[in-house]
Amino acid sequence: DIQMTQSPSSLSASVGDRVTVTCRASQSISIYLNWYQQKPGKAPKLLIYAASSLQSGVPSRFSGSGSGTDFTLTISSLQPEDFSTYYCQQSYTTPWTFGQGTKVEIK
Amino acid sequence: EVQVVESGGGLVQPGGSLRLSCAASGFTFSSYAMSWVRQAPGKGLEWVSALSGSANTAYYADSVKGRFTISRDNSKNTLYLQMNSLRAEDTAIYYCAKGGWYQTPFDYWGQGTLVTVSS
Repeated sequence: DIQMTQSPSSLSASVGDRVTVTCRASQSISIYLNWYQQKPGKAPKLLIYAASSLQSGVPSRFSGSGSGTDFTLTISSLQPEDFSTYYCQQSYTTPWTFGQGTKVEIK
Repeated sequence: EVQVVESGGGLVQPGGSLRLSCAASGFTFSSYAMSWVRQAPGKGLEWVSALSGSANTAYYADSVKGRFTISRDNSKNTLYLQMNSLRAEDTAIYYCAKGGWYQTPFDYWGQGTLVTVSS
């Protein structure tokens, strides 16, 4: 199975900050890396697919990059509604696997 | 508007069975793979199973293989998950999601249904 490792597991940031979350795959997954946002008590929501494609309706302050084994989710200017948990997920091969999550909290 | 709505969760004893349903609308159901993803209380996301649009190919996580069966009725736009031999560690919110195939993300999710396995 492909292991997905996110870092950090949590971070504290202020509104307006630039935030970066990284995700590393245990083997190459080409560009087949997706990012999700989950708020407490809610279902996950797709933000980024295929490493860098923005899902329809998602604000442009979210961006993704990377290929192979190393990927990054960037929020260019953190907004109050962005305080959530973020998960990466590989769709390269079964079993589809998720990272452990990164909780973004208010500083 | 794409919508997926799960139902069928509840409290079940260890060793028992439960069938989850997922009603989909707003897209051509038979053209898309569908998946189940679960989340144990306070934990991360775990993919459970996926089924191709034509229902001819299914995949399962090792943790549920041989106990869970995914199926779909394309005439009713509905996805199912038959869960047998349930264990305490199957306790989770079960999400139905559109997609979840090779090179394809889970692009729309339901609100989830809670399954609790306890005596």
